[in-house]
Amino acid sequence: SAVISQKPSRDICQRGTSLTIQCQVDSQVTMMFWYRQQPGQSLTLIATANQGSEATYESGFVIDKFPISRPNLTFSTLTVSNMSPEDSSIYLCSVGIGLAGANEQFFGPGTRLTVL
Amino acid sequence: KQEVTQIPAALSVPEGENLVLNCSFTDSAIYNLQWFRQDPGKGLTSLLLIQSSQREQTSGRLNASLDKSSGRSTLYIAASQPGDSATYLCAVPQGTALIFGKGTTLSVSS
Repeated sequence: SAVISQKPSRDICQRGTSLTIQCQVDSQVTMMFWYRQQPGQSLTLIATANQGSEATYESGFVIDKFPISRPNLTFSTLTVSNMSPEDSSIYLCSVGIGLAGANEQFFGPGTRLTVL
Repeated sequence: KQEVTQIPAALSVPEGENLVLNCSFTDSAIYNLQWFRQDPGKGLTSLLLIQSSQREQTSGRLNASLDKSSGRSTLYIAASQPGDSATYLCAVPQGTALIFGKGTTLSVSS
């Protein structure tokens, strides 16, 4: 398993500003992911954070809106840029342990974002 | 495209009841299926990972079954307790990430 921490745990932000969320893992992992959970909805994958290269984004998510850094195998950041109230969600990072496509995933506690 | 469905969407039971949560998926070519618990406003806690070669996996009062051919999994909770109240999510891999169902919100009353 893996122990994952996220900062901040919650924030209230003004429209048009940006917020950077940090994700720290207690061990080196190859696979790290960022998900979004909008109110009353299930989780949707935003992107896979790749160490040493650009993140791989899912359909509907773009780098300009959600830039991601992955400087090493234990840390990643997600920035939510130029925020609007529609960005109010819980943002979660996760790591995959095991083989790609057959891994077990563990999640951080999430960052609850409210945009006014 | 993989789709995951969970029924019921919500369930209320008195303490002590045994209950079953259902999960179905459209593409049976999966390596595993994972059940999670989510408390309100919180992250996800992994409950059980069941491999495609397994039919069942148990942890304490929880038992998950998997029938790949029919695209179904069930999570059985024995002797439910108020502390079991949460949303339960199932997820299957697609590529390296997970596809989630919308969850079953369980409320156990004392």
